[in-house]
Amino acid sequence: NAGVTQTPKFQVLKTGQSMTLQCAQDMNHNSMYWYRQDPGMGLRLIYYSASEGTTDKGEVPNGYNVSRLNKREFSLRLESAAPSQTSVYFCASSELTDYPYQPQHFGDGTRLSIL
Amino acid sequence: KNEVEQSPQNLTAQEGEFITINCSYSVGISALHWLQQHPGGGIVSLFMLSSGKKKHGRLIATINIQEKHSSLHITASHPRDSAVYICAVLTGNQFYFGTGTSLTVIP
Repeated sequence: NAGVTQTPKFQVLKTGQSMTLQCAQDMNHNSMYWYRQDPGMGLRLIYYSASEGTTDKGEVPNGYNVSRLNKREFSLRLESAAPSQTSVYFCASSELTDYPYQPQHFGDGTRLSIL
Repeated sequence: KNEVEQSPQNLTAQEGEFITINCSYSVGISALHWLQQHPGGGIVSLFMLSSGKKKHGRLIATINIQEKHSSLHITASHPRDSAVYICAVLTGNQFYFGTGTSLTVIP
């Protein structure tokens, strides 16, 4: 089982460039999440999708957009990259519709550097 | 302001020691999640619990909902347990994360 697959694993961009981070899960989970992880800070939620067709802002949504393409896929787009968006990005999925809730499964992360 | 506080931030232990990592939170939650992250590595789920206690191998997690507190215990610690341990709480559809406890176990 692949679990949660993120692509790419590494990326270097110049300021102002755009790119899309891809995420796919094969566990039939309803909920999917995008986080960023910065040194000295906990994981911070960028956007999440509680179910197919819905997306909601998290703690740090500015500069990002998301698309829940179908139940499996949830992409994160940087329209005009800024150095402050240099970070490690994690996609995660979980199933929260029935109790007991299922824990989050994480992708391997994308290390993104904006020059 | 962080709704989730972990202590200690850093912890060094000798192999074989009993280890406790604490997590306190200030919001109402429906579940609490313990995760492990190895240096440069991915994030792995250890436990998700809403009450009481869970055990898996040498790891034990407890939660006290009234006191808004959870602990992660590692018995007979081993160098391979060296990692960052992260506590997260579930409120609604969102998880809120602590900043992690960095554990180093010395042989």
